[in-house]
Amino acid sequence: GAVVSQHPSRVICKSGTSVKIECRSLDFQATTMFWYRQFPKKSLMLMATSNEGSKATYEQGVEKDKFLINHASLTLSTLTVTSAHPEDSSFYICSARGQGQLTQETQYFGPGTRLLVL
Amino acid sequence: GQNIDQPTEMTATEGAIVQINCTYQTSGFNGLFWYQQHAGEAPTFLSYNVLDGLEEKGRFSSFLSRSKGYSYLLLKELQMKDSASYLCAVMDSNYQLIWGAGTKLIIKP
Repeated sequence: GAVVSQHPSRVICKSGTSVKIECRSLDFQATTMFWYRQFPKKSLMLMATSNEGSKATYEQGVEKDKFLINHASLTLSTLTVTSAHPEDSSFYICSARGQGQLTQETQYFGPGTRLLVL
Repeated sequence: GQNIDQPTEMTATEGAIVQINCTYQTSGFNGLFWYQQHAGEAPTFLSYNVLDGLEEKGRFSSFLSRSKGYSYLLLKELQMKDSASYLCAVMDSNYQLIWGAGTKLIIKP
């Protein structure tokens, strides 16, 4: 149980284009989803927290107009990187927590999406 | 401020035991998590401690002392596949996870 999927796993795009990443909880309802980014050999950095049906809460320094988050259902959240630039290249990971797990506090991670902006 | 400390890197031998320590100072406490992260992959959940004491799960055990702000992850019978980063994270009073920088564990034959 507690499986989270992410799509795509890898994406290469041109500078200036937008990229959408999907995060799905497959066997539980995720009341809260989290979006992280991670640079090579660095720690996880929380970007935003989203609760189903409400606006996402962004961490300090994260541009909400650049990283659009939508959590329209209890099983799906999307992160759209708008007008991507090479400095947005990173490993983006979502996690989810909610009902039906062994512990409601545990975050379960998707496999991550590696974004490369040329 | 909130702070999670764990060693940057540790080396151990295949078949041996290793203990990875984590100390924390957070605003409130709602549990401590250990995650394993292999290079290039997302973290996977290992354990959750909210009460003092030792939780054993196969070759892995996790210990918590809330009064000391201290936890450790104990890995027994080390295997080469255990080479990974181990992340300590504490859930604060707002139910936000505060992450440590991770401990890179290198297993040698």
